This record gives sequence, structure tokens and C-alpha cells, in this order.
Amino acid sequence: EAQVTQNPRYLITVTGKKLTVTCSQNMNHEYMSWYRQDPGLGLRQIYYSMNVEVTDKGDVPEGYKVSRKEKRNFPLILESPSPNQTSLYFCASRGARFGVGQFFGPGTRLTVL
Amino acid sequence: ILNVEQSPQSLHVQEGDSTNFTCSFPSSNFYALHWYRWETAKSPEALFVMTLNGDEKKKGRISATLNTKEGYSYLYIKGSQPEDSATYLCAFMNTDKLIFGTGTRLQVFP
Repeated sequence: EAQVTQNPRYLITVTGKKLTVTCSQNMNHEYMSWYRQDPGLGLRQIYYSMNVEVTDKGDVPEGYKVSRKEKRNFPLILESPSPNQTSLYFCASRGARFGVGQFFGPGTRLTVL
Repeated sequence: ILNVEQSPQSLHVQEGDSTNFTCSFPSSNFYALHWYRWETAKSPEALFVMTLNGDEKKKGRISATLNTKEGYSYLYIKGSQPEDSATYLCAFMNTDKLIFGTGTRLQVFP
């Protein structure tokens, strides 16, 4: 089954404690992205990757890091989480063709105390 | 900053009503326009991706049109059903980036 998986699905942590949210896709997609969703603000792109070892900042990259060492994985790293990073996070992937929509993961709800 | 706007923000209709929403986006550097359907407690799912001015796409009772010259797209739902209740997102593709609107939340009452 074609899918994007994210782990963990729910996480409560404390300020400053480094964490990683994993994302994996099994569709051999070139493009992968991370978004955060906050009430009233819609989906905002954090980082995206066009292929292995190629990443670029989205609209809200501050406080986040990513890496793309393998095509299927695109982890999101919060080196020193802060309460303003409490949000719902989605990973998504798509193929290189323009006419194809994105596949979204199930979401990770993060709370930073 | 590129802006994608959707209207209305929310809509309540009776079962059987037809409805439509608007997505406005920049008319320059257009690559594609995406529509997604997002049910509560689930992930967004792609409905349509449109790339050409004048494109029309249809899936069952849902259809969409695209005008890239003036920068808008319409999504139509014919004969709304309660299962159509969801947030409908549009996203403008500019080079490699997808920029999302804040969505139109549709509730269909039986």
C-alpha cells in the first residue's frame, strides 16, 4: 500500500529537549516536505527536499533542521524545542511530475511544555 | 510573500444543495494549482491538480475550474452530501514549493 508514515503520532516534551520526528514514504517519490498546521494559519511549509541531499527552506524554517540521506526518509529535527513549536506536523511526498498531488502522512501532534 | 486566499472561510449547507468555493492565487510564475480534501482527524487527500489555463477536472459530484490569467480557481460540489463535510484546501505551486490557503470548511446538514 502506498503510504507516508510518521512517528511518533503524539509527543509531549519539555523545552530544550532535542527530538526527531521521522517520516518515510514507500512510493520512490523525489519530493518530500514538512508542514506545520496552526489554527487560523493553515498549512505552512517548514522545509522541503527535491531529492537525496537536496533540501531548501520553506516559509517557517527557524528552529528546525532536516536531512535527506536516503530517498525514502526525511526526518524533522528540533534541536531545542520551544513552546511556540507546539503544533500539528505533517510530512508529505510527491513524484517529480507537476500533475500529481501530494501524499500526506497521518500527522504528529507535538506539545512542548 | 506569495498569498493564496480562499473564500468563504466556512459554509453550512443542506443536503442536496450545490455549492462552490474560490481560491485566489498569484497569476505570475504559475506551475500548478492543487485542491485537497481534509476530513477532521485525517490527513489531506489530493482531489485535483490543474496545470493549464482553462483546465476543468471532475471526480464524481466534485469539479474544479482554473483561470491562470486572472489567478483563481473554483471548486464545485453538486448535490452536497453529509460525507462531503470537510475542509477544502487549495495550494499554488511556484517552482518546487506548494503554498496553501487556509481552507474552506464545509458542513453539510442532513
